[in-house]
Order: sequence, then structure tokens, then C-alpha cells
Amino acid sequence: EAEVAQSPRYKITEKSQAVAFWCDPISGHATLYWYRQILGQGPELLVQFQDESVVDDSQLPKDRFSAERLKGVDSTLKIQPAELGDSAMYLCASSLMSGALEQYFGPGTRLTVT
Amino acid sequence: DQQVKQNSPSLSVQEGRISILNCDYTNSMFDYFLWYKKYPAEGPTFLISISSIKDKNEDGRFTVFLNKSAKHLSLHIVPSQPGDSAVYFCAARGVGGSQGNLIFGKGTKLSVKP
Repeated sequence: EAEVAQSPRYKITEKSQAVAFWCDPISGHATLYWYRQILGQGPELLVQFQDESVVDDSQLPKDRFSAERLKGVDSTLKIQPAELGDSAMYLCASSLMSGALEQYFGPGTRLTVT
Repeated sequence: DQQVKQNSPSLSVQEGRISILNCDYTNSMFDYFLWYKKYPAEGPTFLISISSIKDKNEDGRFTVFLNKSAKHLSLHIVPSQPGDSAVYFCAARGVGGSQGNLIFGKGTKLSVKP
């Protein structure tokens, strides 16, 4: 069964350092999402891609976060510099098209900023 | 301001009995409501959805009820099984400029005891 792949699964970094997360969506899925899930909260959308284009990045803290999906397949989310408040689970999801009800989530990257 | 609220952080149920998970929303501009299930160390997985024009949707042991006048939905699991033990997230899909974007509640941790 096709799955969304994410790496690394865990990342510990010191504040002010740069960190990057990678996501490979299910083959053929045009829409890719990055979510942040703080402990005890639900996932919150950071950015949505349709193919290689950003559709919604209204909740992305653009002073320190960036995301790209250059060839419309895999994607990278970067934080520079990391802050203590960035400690969270970063989830990637994909769907066949924008607006699809079912989004397929990867296992996430657990980030700890010390 | 939370648009999707799950006010019960946890629920414990005996195997074979009914589990009822509740969710409230504050915004009428949602066209679909969804439930996702999350096991530890895994990403959320889609469980069931309901259109805002319906009041009930059933899929095997899982039934979702929607009360639009009360802005309330609930997920019923009958009969509950130990394998149902997970965190359940209620989500709502926005319309208009945020089409396809899901807004999640904080989740309810269900424990089904043998």
C-alpha cells in the first residue's frame, strides 16, 4: 500500500540552528500539505501545494519558515533559525487533488528545539 | 479562537459498549466534517465523513451524526473494540478561499478496555 514518507522521524536541534524536513507524497497525488501539531493540539496547516505551486501559506511564519516543492513531487520544509516554540510534530499529507476529503498523512517528524 | 472544539480530552469505554465522541464547531462555512484516527507513532488516518447537508452517515461500526442547528457532531462506535483505542480528531473542511483546508480539533483519546 502506498504511503507518505517523511524523514527524519526525530530531530533534536539547538535554537538558532537551521533544520529541514523532507516529505515524499503518494505517487500521483497533486496536492501536498505541511501541518504542525503541538502537543495536546490538533494539526494546523502551515502550507498547501498544488503541484509545484503554493496554494495557501497564510499560516506559515515566513520570517523563519520556508517550503518548496520544486518538481511537484517531494517537498522540503525548512526552519531557520529554530526557536524553542517550534518544538512540535511536523506532519506531511497528500491528496489526489485540492479539496479531496481524504488526506493521507505520513508518520511525521518530531522536532525538539533545545 | 477555536473553530472546531473537542471538549473531552479522553474517554474510557468497556469493550463491546458504545463509544460516543463529540465535536462542536463555531463556523457555518464548512461543507464537510470528518473524523480522523491516530495511533501512536503514526500519522492520522481518515475514518469517516459527513456532508453538511446530511444528518447521518454510517460505515460499519462507525456512525457520524450532524446536528446543524446545535453546530454539533458526534462519532458513535458500536461495538467498541480494543483496537479502536486511539486519538480521534474531528475536522471540518472550509469553503471559499480555503477550499480543501481542514481545521482540526484538539482530539479525544479513546481507551477501550477488554
